[in-house]
Amino acid sequence: QLHLQESGPGLVKPSETLSLTCTVSGGSIRSDGFYWTWVRQSPGRGLEWIGSISYTGETYYTSSLKSRVTLSIDTSENQLSLKVNSVTAADSSLYYCARLKTTVAGNFFDSWGQGTLVTV
Amino acid sequence: ELVLTQSPGTLSLSPGESATLSCRASQSLTIDALGWYQQKPGQAPRLLIYGASTRAAGIPDRFSGSGSGTDFTLTISRLEPEDFAVYYCQRNGWFGPGTRVDIK
Repeated sequence: QLHLQESGPGLVKPSETLSLTCTVSGGSIRSDGFYWTWVRQSPGRGLEWIGSISYTGETYYTSSLKSRVTLSIDTSENQLSLKVNSVTAADSSLYYCARLKTTVAGNFFDSWGQGTLVTV
Repeated sequence: ELVLTQSPGTLSLSPGESATLSCRASQSLTIDALGWYQQKPGQAPRLLIYGASTRAAGIPDRFSGSGSGTDFTLTISRLEPEDFAVYYCQRNGWFGPGTRVDIK
């Protein structure tokens, strides 16, 4: 069974860079038809898609964060990473790693990590 | 930009009753690629329905999805105690604000 586990600092200072890692186990990150994704959730903004990356490194970012976000993937370690630079209090959220499945019936998040809380 | 609107904001029901949750898209979806998720306190969202009406693996048949175009519905028949949660609709990178189903 696929397991996603987020890790990283829970506290980041304003203007610094938020860095998180998601380790995937129970399956390979090198899978066609899937994108590895970061979603965040806060009381004020609900669920917010940050960006997605394929195992080949193809990336997509939400327009509101595109200038500050970088996703990367390490297929040898079965890990993906998120960096958000120049953080402010508005970036304080619960950050989830999730798998986005792409199908003819649309794109859906079929597996999620437990989330990690980041406070700026 | 797609906007998903969910109603009602909160639904107060008793176990055994049925729940009808609505999700309206600001643009007509040419493919009925809408998902529904359940989230309980302290847990990540869980995929219930994709393609507007297909149940995800392991989801009980009391959960059903319907709709097309701009209007979609999640129906939970015969609410079980574990069904009281927040439900979100989703299309690609867009999520609705959620409907909370509370115990009456």
